[in-house]
Amino acid sequence: GAVVSQHPSWVICKSGTSVKIECRSLDFQATTMFWYRQFPKQSLMLMATSNEGSKATYEQGVEKDKFLINHASLTLSTLTVTSAHPEDSSFYICSARVSGLGYEQYFGPGTRLTVT
Amino acid sequence: GENVEQHPSTLSVQEGDSAVIKCTYSDSASNYFPWYKQELGKGPQLFIDIRSNVGDMKDLRIAVTLNKTAKHFSLHITETQPEDSAVYFCAASYNFNKFYFGSGTKLNVKP
Repeated sequence: GAVVSQHPSWVICKSGTSVKIECRSLDFQATTMFWYRQFPKQSLMLMATSNEGSKATYEQGVEKDKFLINHASLTLSTLTVTSAHPEDSSFYICSARVSGLGYEQYFGPGTRLTVT
Repeated sequence: GENVEQHPSTLSVQEGDSAVIKCTYSDSASNYFPWYKQELGKGPQLFIDIRSNVGDMKDLRIAVTLNKTAKHFSLHITETQPEDSAVYFCAASYNFNKFYFGSGTKLNVKP
């Protein structure tokens, strides 16, 4: 089946630094990737949608300059949390979808970010 | 935008009993309704889905129903087993472009 990986699985960083999270589709080409944020015991909140080769579309209220998304290839999307603050601590999950083929989203295992 | 509400937030059942989770949505244009199962510390996995042109779906112990008029859909798990314990999320989407998730239900199946 389709597999999506994320790296790292967890990261601890100091306030003010930047952190990059990678999302890879391992056995399929993902024309669209989604980035979600999940707080403890809460639902997934869509942050942005990225299509390969074009700029990401951010949801209302999500700062595009703080959460930089790059979808440089059909198998890789990255989320960079810039100038991280403790309130950015969360579980970040990506998902990937192939247009025209089942439409199913395949989720990555998530990345736990802790900003100290 | 779409608003998806999910109930209950927690559900405890005895092994072998049935579990029902219900969701409502607000956008009548939504036409795809997946259910995801999320285990602790992992990403969600597609559990079962239903499309508005298909009708009810059933797979062994799992069934989903959709009422487009009332804009609600539900997940039914029969003969529950301890390994069914997880958090379940419903979601709604229009043409698979964006997925809006419910708040989740933590299902605990007691042996």
